[in-house]
Amino acid sequence: GAVVSQHPSWVICKSGTSVKIECRSLDFQATTMFWYRQFPKQSLMLMATSNEGSKATYEQGVEKDKFLINHASLTLSTLTVTSAHPEDSSFYICSARDIRGYEQYFGPGTRLTVT
Amino acid sequence: GDSVTQMEGPVTLSEEAFLTINCTYTATGYPSLFWYVQYPGEGLQLLLKATKADDKGSNKGFEATYRKETTSFHLEKGSVQVSDSAVYFCALQSGGNEKLTFGTGTRLTIIP
Repeated sequence: GAVVSQHPSWVICKSGTSVKIECRSLDFQATTMFWYRQFPKQSLMLMATSNEGSKATYEQGVEKDKFLINHASLTLSTLTVTSAHPEDSSFYICSARDIRGYEQYFGPGTRLTVT
Repeated sequence: GDSVTQMEGPVTLSEEAFLTINCTYTATGYPSLFWYVQYPGEGLQLLLKATKADDKGSNKGFEATYRKETTSFHLEKGSVQVSDSAVYFCALQSGGNEKLTFGTGTRLTIIP
């Protein structure tokens, strides 16, 4: 089946530093990838939609200069949290849409803790 | 805007019990409806879906029927197993929009 990986699965960083999270589609190509954020006991909230080779589309209220998204290839998208603060601590999940269809396949998530 | 309201958990059941997880939605037009499942340490997986009113999605013994009149998509299973322990998310997708709107998730624990 379609597999999406995320790296790292867990990261701790100090306040003010930047951290990059990778999302890879392992056995399919994805023109579109999605980044979600999940707070404890809350729903997944879509942060942005990235299309290969073009700029990401951010949801209202998401700071594009803080959450940098790059989708340089059909199998890789990255989310960089810049100048991280404790309030950025969360669970970040990506999904990828198979180029051949409309189903989204989800990665296992990355837990970010900012101290 | 679109929203999904899902039964709060956690839900704990004995093996072979009947399961219902309620889900209602608010959306413009005629959305597609989904149930996703997240097993420990894994990503969300599509469990079942329905794309129009009165459709019934089914998979692995789970069922959900798209009820337009009650704007609901309740998840049911007649006899749960320990392996069904997971977090279940109800979601919708409006029109041609790729965006998924999720409920808060329901953690299900099945005890032997």
